[in-house]
Amino acid sequence: AQSVTQPDIHITVSEGASLELRCNYSYGATPYLFWYVQSPGQGLQLLLKYFSGDTLVQGIKGFEAEFKRSQSSFNLRKPSVHWSDAAEYFCAVGGANAGGTSYGKLTFGQGTILTVHP
Amino acid sequence: DTAVSQTPKYLVTQMGNDKSIKCEQNLGHDTMYWYKQDSKKFLKIMFSYNNKELIINETVPNRFSPKSPDKAHLNLHINSLELGDSAVYFCASSHPQVRGGYTFGSGTRLTVV
Repeated sequence: AQSVTQPDIHITVSEGASLELRCNYSYGATPYLFWYVQSPGQGLQLLLKYFSGDTLVQGIKGFEAEFKRSQSSFNLRKPSVHWSDAAEYFCAVGGANAGGTSYGKLTFGQGTILTVHP
Repeated sequence: DTAVSQTPKYLVTQMGNDKSIKCEQNLGHDTMYWYKQDSKKFLKIMFSYNNKELIINETVPNRFSPKSPDKAHLNLHINSLELGDSAVYFCASSHPQVRGGYTFGSGTRLTVV
């Protein structure tokens, strides 16, 4: 079974500080990994994704994430946080099943709320 | 142009009523989903359709019935609403291989009173 753990429920940083949000996953094959952001009252917006190739992926809004297979992790980073980054962040895992096909089931972590202090 | 649109955005109804939520996507995706986000923000898949065929049906009460008239539409009908059905329901779409990720609608906040 696939699962995602986001160990930090709530993180607070100062504006301009660096950020790292943790994500650990469990998946039986090569995973597809995603980070989404949800602002209050809004849907989820895709920040970045990994499915193969370079393990350091760049996303929108200056975010990046690194896939580490040995640690089953896909942590999200940003070098300098802006007040507008305050939101909830979700990590998700999915991928092809053993038969080589997938109908796209993504499993989400429980989310990390980011608060940014001025 | 909204890629994945859900209606209504808010829905307040009494226990025992029947209600529907509609979802449409204009991205040309073959696969559509319904997710439920509970009060703790946990997202759980309910259903998935690929080209009008039901392919994922998680453990959901049979009061919930999805219907896909064509691959661009996936509606959710809920019978005999209960207090515990209060949540935000998200529709999403993707290509079947999901490598590109989902595109989500903005959600429908259902409140059962």
